[in-house]
Amino acid sequence: KNEVEQSPQNLTAQEGEFITINCSYSVGISALHWLQQHPGGGIVSLFMLSSGKKKHGRLIATINIQEKHSSLHITASHPRDSAVYICAVGSAGGTSYGKLTFGQGTILTVHP
Amino acid sequence: DAGITQSPRHKVTETGTPVTLRCHQTENHRYMYWYRQDPGHGLRLIHYSYGVKDTDKGEVSDGYSVSRSKTEDFLLTLESATSSQTSVYFCAISDTRSNYGYTFGSGTRLTVV
Repeated sequence: KNEVEQSPQNLTAQEGEFITINCSYSVGISALHWLQQHPGGGIVSLFMLSSGKKKHGRLIATINIQEKHSSLHITASHPRDSAVYICAVGSAGGTSYGKLTFGQGTILTVHP
Repeated sequence: DAGITQSPRHKVTETGTPVTLRCHQTENHRYMYWYRQDPGHGLRLIHYSYGVKDTDKGEVSDGYSVSRSKTEDFLLTLESATSSQTSVYFCAISDTRSNYGYTFGSGTRLTVV
């Protein structure tokens, strides 16, 4: 069983829909990261969080440490949000800025 | 990303030849990492560095070596390239001063024929 599990693996939405991507992990962590990768592109860090909730534009990330679960929400989705979203965790005992273990990614496609 | 560059961006090499990939940062970040990304496996850590001349192995380090003689440069060497090392390689940097934790390079697509 992977230490970091994402769901769904694939997600298709219509423009304007509210989107949720989930991430569960099985180990203690120092921080959880959400990353975005466009097809053929590089990887961009969206959020780093160790508790609570963060918001950046139409993106919201939440984490529940007790339940070992995080969600990434996209409000008013747009075709330019189409990308792979990756959850990654830094292990407990390390720094929040240390090496990461990654989920398999969620492929999001938003149709106009 | 403006603060981190990888070279080359693309490379085709023959089995058995040595290959060196370069990661250069201008952010003065302490931590540097090399990851590989493969379909079905996601991103996996090859080697990382927590300071000049301080490096350690990741989960898929066999066949790879690294060096960090300056804060800004982290080199990944495939000592004798094999077809199983065909992959996309990403360098990343991190530091306690960064709000986002991590910054990734644009990647190097390596093909071993």
